[in-house]
Amino acid sequence: NAGVTQTPKFRVLKTGQSMTLLCAQDMNHEYMYWYRQDPGMGLRLIHYSVGEGTTAKGEVPDGYNVSRLKKQNFLLGLESAAPSQTSVYFCASSSGDTQYFGPGTRLTVL
Amino acid sequence: GENVEQHPSTLSVQEGDSAVIKCTYSDSASNYFPWYKQELGKRPQLIIDIRSNVGEKKDQRIAVTLNKTAKHFSLHITETQPEDSAVYFCAASKAAGNKLTFGGGTRVLVKP
Repeated sequence: NAGVTQTPKFRVLKTGQSMTLLCAQDMNHEYMYWYRQDPGMGLRLIHYSVGEGTTAKGEVPDGYNVSRLKKQNFLLGLESAAPSQTSVYFCASSSGDTQYFGPGTRLTVL
Repeated sequence: GENVEQHPSTLSVQEGDSAVIKCTYSDSASNYFPWYKQELGKRPQLIIDIRSNVGEKKDQRIAVTLNKTAKHFSLHITETQPEDSAVYFCAASKAAGNKLTFGGGTRVLVKP
C-alpha cells in the first residue's frame, strides 16, 4: 500500500514549456486535490475532484488544467509554464474528512 | 469563501514548555478542523482533528479546542520536545470530501 505517490519529484522548465504532474493513490479514495505551496503562503488549492470524470476549480486555478480519467489518478497540467508557477506541488486524496498528502513535486520555471 | 487566519507565524519555545497556536475562521458553516504538521522537505501529515460537535480533543501531548461561537480553534502542545520542531497548519472545511482552506502556517522551534 503506497498511499499517495507523485511523479516527478523534481523538474526544471523553461518559460513557455508544458508538463504534466501525475498523482496516484491506491486507497480507493473518491476525492483528490492539487495544492501549491509557496514560502509563507501555506497551501493553496488549485483544482480538485469529487469523483472519476469530475473536476472543479479551487482557489488558484489560472494557468493549470486537470483531468481525472481514472479514479486512482489525478493529473495536473501546465500548458505554458511561467516563473510565477515555481512552487512545490502537493497532491492529496480523501475518502471523507482526512486528506492524505503525497510527497510533493518541486517545480522550478526559469 | 472561507478564510482561515493563523497566529503566530513563528513560535520559539524552550524544551518542556507548552506551545499554543490559534486559528480563526470566517464561515460559520465550517464543521471540520484538522491540524497538519510538516517537517522540512516533507509532506504535511495529519496530527489531530476536531469536528464541530466536540469542544475539545486530546491525543497524548497534543490537544485541540474549538469555540464555535467565536469561530476560533487552537492547538496545544505540552512538554515540547525537539522533534516537535516543524511547521504546523490549521485548516477548515464544511463537509466530508469538501475542500480544505488552510491557514498560513506556524513555524515552531523547540530549543533544547
